[in-house]
Order: sequence, then C-alpha cells, then structure tokens
Amino acid sequence: AQSVTQLGSHVSVSEGALVLLRCNYSSSVPPYLFWYVQYPNQGLQLLLKYTTGATLVKGINGFEAEFKKSETSFHLTKPSAHMSDAAEYFCAVSLHPGGSNYKLTFGKGTLLTVNP
Amino acid sequence: DGGITQSPKYLFRKEGQNVTLSCEQNLNHDAMYWYRQDPGQGLRLIYYSQIVNDFQKGDIAEGYSVSREKKESFPLTVTSAQKNPTAFYLCASSILGQGEETQYFGPGTRLLVL
Repeated sequence: AQSVTQLGSHVSVSEGALVLLRCNYSSSVPPYLFWYVQYPNQGLQLLLKYTTGATLVKGINGFEAEFKKSETSFHLTKPSAHMSDAAEYFCAVSLHPGGSNYKLTFGKGTLLTVNP
Repeated sequence: DGGITQSPKYLFRKEGQNVTLSCEQNLNHDAMYWYRQDPGQGLRLIYYSQIVNDFQKGDIAEGYSVSREKKESFPLTVTSAQKNPTAFYLCASSILGQGEETQYFGPGTRLLVL
C-alpha cells in the first residue's frame, strides 16, 4: 500500500523567504509523485510531477521539487515566496503504470501563509 | 476551452434526501474520479471509472453511488445513507495507458446539510 506524509499542516514564511514544504512517501514500487496547489474554494491545480528521468523537477510559478529515492522524499521548494503563493499544497503518489492501480493517494495538505 | 465542469457550486441537502452532483469533462479523458475533501484530511477517493459503464469503489464509497453512461459525464449521488455528507467534493479526470496518469480537477461542489 502507498501512503503520503506531509510534515507540517501549516507553514508560515515572510515574503521573499525560502519556501520548503515537506513530503515523504511509502510505496512498494517506483512511484509517480505530484504536487498540487489549491486556492480557497477552488479545485486542485497541478504544480509539478515526477515520473521518470531527472530527479529535479521544475513546475509552474517558480516551484521545484527533488525526488530522493534513498530518503523517500519529494520536498517542494521555491527560492522566494510571493504573497500570491498563499494556498494549500498537496503531495500525492500513484503506483507506477504497469500495475492495475491508477489511484492517487494524497497527503493531508500543508497550508502556506505568506506574511508581508 | 477544454476542462472539467462541476455543478452546482453550492448544494444544500435536507435530511433523508438524495442529491446528485454533476461532473462533465470535454478533455476526452478515459478515467474519471470523485474525491471528498474535509478540512485537515486531504482528499479521499469515493469512486472512480476507467471506462464507460464500469466503475470501482474507492476508499469511502459507502453512502454514495455513481454512473458512467457517457465518457464525458460521471455524476455522483449522495444518498440518505451518507450520515455526514457535509464536505467539498472534487471531480477529476485523466487519460490512461500512455504512462501519464496526471489527474486534472474541476472547481468543486460544496455540499451543506440543512
């Protein structure tokens, strides 16, 4: 079975500071990994994803994440926070295709607050 | 524009009433999904469908039902058996079989109990 743990349900940073949102996963097979962002009362928008290949993945809005197999982690970072980054962020994992399971398993989310 | 639409944006349910949430996509995606979101709980899978006229239960299917009569549509019915239906419901879709299972989400429906 796969699972996702997001460390910190709430992260607060100052505008211009580094953003680091942590995600660890467990999976019995090589996973696909995703980060989604959700603004209040809206659906989820894909930020970035890791499938295969390069372990450092760049996404939209200046975010990036690095897949570290040895640490079973996929932390999300952004060098300089902007007020518009305030939202809830979800990490998700799915089994590698070739299995019969296309389901995503989500972490519980991290609410990012950006202070002026 | 291609995308996923959900309606209504807000829905009120009375005790003992069944209500149906609509989800439509024009992305020509094979698979569709329904999730329930509660504060601090992340998203939990209710049902999913990979092909027309077929669907599977997710992790929390009790009290819900779905149908998939058309590729574009995947309505969710919240039945009176669901005792705690107040939540934000999200529909998603994805293509299958090409090594790319990214799910794309609709804007959501918030269900409230009167």
